[in-house]
Amino acid sequence: GAVVSQHPSRVICKSGTSVKIECRSLDFQATTMFWYRQFPKQSLMLMATSNEGSKATYEQGVEKDKFLINHASLTLSTLTVTSAHPEDSSFYICSARDPLRGHSYEQYFGPGTRLTVT
Amino acid sequence: AQKVTQAQTEISVVEKEDVTLDCVYETRDTTYYLFWYKQPPSGELVFLIRRNSFDEQNEISGRYSWNFQKSTSSFNFTITASQVVDSAVYFCALSTTTSGTYKYIFGTGTRLKVLA
Repeated sequence: GAVVSQHPSRVICKSGTSVKIECRSLDFQATTMFWYRQFPKQSLMLMATSNEGSKATYEQGVEKDKFLINHASLTLSTLTVTSAHPEDSSFYICSARDPLRGHSYEQYFGPGTRLTVT
Repeated sequence: AQKVTQAQTEISVVEKEDVTLDCVYETRDTTYYLFWYKQPPSGELVFLIRRNSFDEQNEISGRYSWNFQKSTSSFNFTITASQVVDSAVYFCALSTTTSGTYKYIFGTGTRLKVLA
């Protein structure tokens, strides 16, 4: 149980284009999802927290207009990197909380999406 | 302030050696959870353990063991008889309800290399 998927697993896009990454909770309803970014050999950096049906809460320093997050349903959150540039190349990981589980503090992580902007 | 410190950036051991990965945390919350995750080269985070702040019992799972000490705010992870497959980056994380969220604060990770 508590499986989270991400699509695509890898994506290469050209500079200036936009790319969408999907995060799905497969066997539970996730009222809260999180988006992380990880640079090579670094830790995970929380970008934003998204709650179903409301606007995402972005961490300080994260550009809202560049990283658009939509959490339109209880099983799907999307991250759109707009007008991507090479410096946006990174590993993006999503996670989700299942409020019905006993350990509500726990996040369940997706397998990650490796974005390369050329 | 919430913080997780993993002072060991990289550790190399020879197969079959025991190795301990350190994790020190800071929080003013009385209720919190601590986690350890393994991140192999594939990138996917693998959950290893969850511990809440009210349970200081140490835990053993096969070759893995964890030592949680609130007095020193530490949650250390020991791998006994390490194997090459244990090579990965290991992250310690803290979760509290500060600000009404359940954010994770990750440590910087420890890269473990187990040499054959």
